Amino acid sequence: AQSVTQPDIHITVSEGASLELRCNYSYGATPYLFWYVQSPGQGLQLLLKYFSGDTLVQGIKGFEAEFKRSQSSFNLRKPSVHWSDAAEYFCAVGDYEGGADGLTFGKGTHLIIQP
Amino acid sequence: ETGVTQTPRHLVMGMTNKKSLKCEQHLGHNAMYWYKQSAKKPLELMFVYNFKEQTENNSVPSRFSPECPNSSHLFLHLHTLQPEDSALYLCASSQVGQGTNTGELFFGEGSRLTVL
Repeated sequence: AQSVTQPDIHITVSEGASLELRCNYSYGATPYLFWYVQSPGQGLQLLLKYFSGDTLVQGIKGFEAEFKRSQSSFNLRKPSVHWSDAAEYFCAVGDYEGGADGLTFGKGTHLIIQP
Repeated sequence: ETGVTQTPRHLVMGMTNKKSLKCEQHLGHNAMYWYKQSAKKPLELMFVYNFKEQTENNSVPSRFSPECPNSSHLFLHLHTLQPEDSALYLCASSQVGQGTNTGELFFGEGSRLTVL
């Protein structure tokens, strides 16, 4: 069965500093990988996704993530965070062969931005 | 309207009540999902409907009863719930099928349920 681990429950970063959120997955084949963001009281919004090809993917709001097969990781990065980036971030893995299986999510990382 | 819409946004119910959550997607997708989001736990996949057929039920208690009358609408009927069922219930949709499946889920804003 597939699984996702986000080792950091909380991360505090100063505004303007760089950010890296960690994600490790367990999956037998090449996974489909996603990062979602959730603001308080809201649903989940897709930041970026990886299916194949270039292992560095660009997303919305200045985020990027790098797929590293050897480390089973898909870490999310941003060079300079803004106060509006404070939110909950979820990494997810999918298994797709034409069926509707949904995604498996990590527990999330709560990002706090210090002024 | 666009995207995935969930109603009501907030619901408070007693353990003996019967209520329903509604989800509607305006994206032309063919699969819909219910997820449960509780504090300090990963999102839990509850039900999956693919072309209106239920394809997954992750050992969800029978006090939760899904209904998918067509590919655009999804309901979650609730009866005799327990306080531990209090959570945010998220609906999502996606387009699945050979050659069309991007894997991405599109989420609604959720229905916050409180069981007293």
